[in-house]
Amino acid sequence: EADIYQTPRYLVIGTGKKITLECSQTMGHDKMYWYQQDPGMELHLIHYSYGVNSTEKGDLSSESTVSRIRTEHFPLTLESARPSHTSQYLCASSEGLAGVFQETQYFGPGTRLLVL
Amino acid sequence: GENVEQHPSTLSVQEGDSAVIKCTYSDSASNYFPWYKQELGKRPQLIIDIRSNVGEKKDQRIAVTLNKTAKHFSLHITETQPEDSAVYFCAATWEYGNKLVFGAGTILRVKS
Repeated sequence: EADIYQTPRYLVIGTGKKITLECSQTMGHDKMYWYQQDPGMELHLIHYSYGVNSTEKGDLSSESTVSRIRTEHFPLTLESARPSHTSQYLCASSEGLAGVFQETQYFGPGTRLLVL
Repeated sequence: GENVEQHPSTLSVQEGDSAVIKCTYSDSASNYFPWYKQELGKRPQLIIDIRSNVGEKKDQRIAVTLNKTAKHFSLHITETQPEDSAVYFCAATWEYGNKLVFGAGTILRVKS
């Protein structure tokens, strides 16, 4: 079934650890996004990608990095986790080309991160 | 950049009543306006969207209206049911459609 998958779903980790949040989609979409969302709060775009080898920073400053080596895979890495990184991270994807009507974004189930 | 304001932040209605959530945007180039519903602990799900060449769109109990001149769009839910209780987010495109900017969300509570 075409969907967006995120792992892990929950992560509790100590300060200073390196973590990678995985996101994969089987929808064949070119564009992928990472959002940060505190519970019940608005979504903030932290990274996005137009396609393979394309990555851009979003509107919210983030200490994380991303890569896009394969169309279906868009991992997010935190080199040194801090308590301020505690949040929910949502991955999304959409098809469509730049400059045309924005196509619908479909979201993954999210990763809830707690940094102690 | 694009700014999307959403009101109200919380809305309580009796089951069977209507609910209206309003959003305004700043970028006149925005051309796509989706609405997402997020239930507690779940991912945002698209419930309806509208493009700039249309003034109104309806899907069963849900409708969205768009006023491009005034730069605002609204979500209308009729005959509300307890399962409509969730957080609703509006969004608008920015940077020639390459990004979505989200409103701050509206917590809708439907009391039975």
